[in-house]
Amino acid sequence: KQEVTQIPAALSVPEGENLVLNCSFTDSAIYNLQWFRQDPGKGLTSLLLIQSSQREQTSGRLNASLDKSSGRSTLYIAASQPGDSATYLCAAGDNDMRFGAGTRLTVKP
Amino acid sequence: GAGVSQSPRYKVAKRGQDVALRCDPISGHVSLFWYQQALGQGPEFLTYFQNEAQLDKSGLPSDRFFAERPEGSVSTLKIQRTQQEDSAVYLCASSPGQANTGELFFGEGSRLTVL
Repeated sequence: KQEVTQIPAALSVPEGENLVLNCSFTDSAIYNLQWFRQDPGKGLTSLLLIQSSQREQTSGRLNASLDKSSGRSTLYIAASQPGDSATYLCAAGDNDMRFGAGTRLTVKP
Repeated sequence: GAGVSQSPRYKVAKRGQDVALRCDPISGHVSLFWYQQALGQGPEFLTYFQNEAQLDKSGLPSDRFFAERPEGSVSTLKIQRTQQEDSAVYLCASSPGQANTGELFFGEGSRLTVL
């Protein structure tokens, strides 16, 4: 069974900092890896999808990389803003995408 | 609709009651997923449909949980004889193609509280 781990569990940074969130998975035979954002009491908002043949995806200030051989993905957030405060979740897998427990990010003004 | 719609948003049930949670996926989306999210945890996979076929139900925690998608669009997750440990947010997601080919789009979830 695929297991996904996210480090750190929580992160607090001052506004303007660049930061990296980490995601590791145990089974490298994945089709997709997807990063989500979840605000309190809300559903998940898709940020970036990396398919197994890809190494990275970029959207605005976000960049996600995928290294299947080592079972790792990172989400890089440039020039963080208070509005980026949320829980960030990664999911990896096939038909049954497995989630990590998330990283709770706080960006202080 | 524009996004995945779930109802009810909030449901309080007495222990032993049956509940039904509804998911309206994005129009035309082939794949539909149900997840269970406990407080402070990531979502846990429950079941997956491709059109009307339930291809994977390995995550359903017990035979009290049942899901259907009879016409390949709207789906219902039913929980019989609810227990306190069933309290969680139930999330529905849809994807345009087969499960392993595309992006997942989530609804806002249905928060179930069992007293």
